[in-house]
Amino acid sequence: DAGITQSPRHKVTETGTPVTLRCHQTENHRYMYWYRQDPGHGLRLIHYSYGVKDTDKGEVSDGYSVSRSKTEDFLLTLESATSSQTSVYFCAITPRQGSNTEAFFGQGTRLTVV
Amino acid sequence: EDKVVQSPLSLVVHEGDTVTLNCSYEVTNFRSLLWYKQEKKAPTFLFMLTSSGIEKKSGRLSSILDKKELFSILNITATQTGDSAVYLCAVRNAGGTSYGKLTFGQGTILTVHP
Repeated sequence: DAGITQSPRHKVTETGTPVTLRCHQTENHRYMYWYRQDPGHGLRLIHYSYGVKDTDKGEVSDGYSVSRSKTEDFLLTLESATSSQTSVYFCAITPRQGSNTEAFFGQGTRLTVV
Repeated sequence: EDKVVQSPLSLVVHEGDTVTLNCSYEVTNFRSLLWYKQEKKAPTFLFMLTSSGIEKKSGRLSSILDKKELFSILNITATQTGDSAVYLCAVRNAGGTSYGKLTFGQGTILTVHP
């Protein structure tokens, strides 16, 4: 599993509440990514990080923020959850720059906003 | 913006059939193309392709890349019910801080009936 842990694995929350998802890795990888998966859309990139405190937006970043204060943790925050953010969220990592290997995925977090 | 299009979006076959899944892409700074299989959990890695015309093979699965025409195919011969899954194609960008960023297609849902 490449040492990636996502928490929580399942969450139900109410519209308008803040939610934080956590991705923790034990392999000291530099690059970390948050994706969401919805039927008919494959996986879409929300935000990614290329180092501590270095983050950038992906294609569907509106309504989400991220933080990476240490190498092993990448947090995804929904400031005010909406029903359109009901989805399955995957964290992924890739090894250091210059290493062309597959991306490794966490087990996913199923988030339901009611 | 990087783009990946998979076809068909869904496919229903019977055991023993051979299937071909298609993936076309546009990426600003191509590094590699990856295929994943997903069965109701995290995507699992199948192949990574970087060079045109070199077939990658694993059991009944094989894949090839055409960098001139910007597409890849994934073949599955003698399909089994265990091949039922979503097959995802992704391209990796090699540019700067975007390094390692994967852009996914919508996925192909393959259903294999006994």
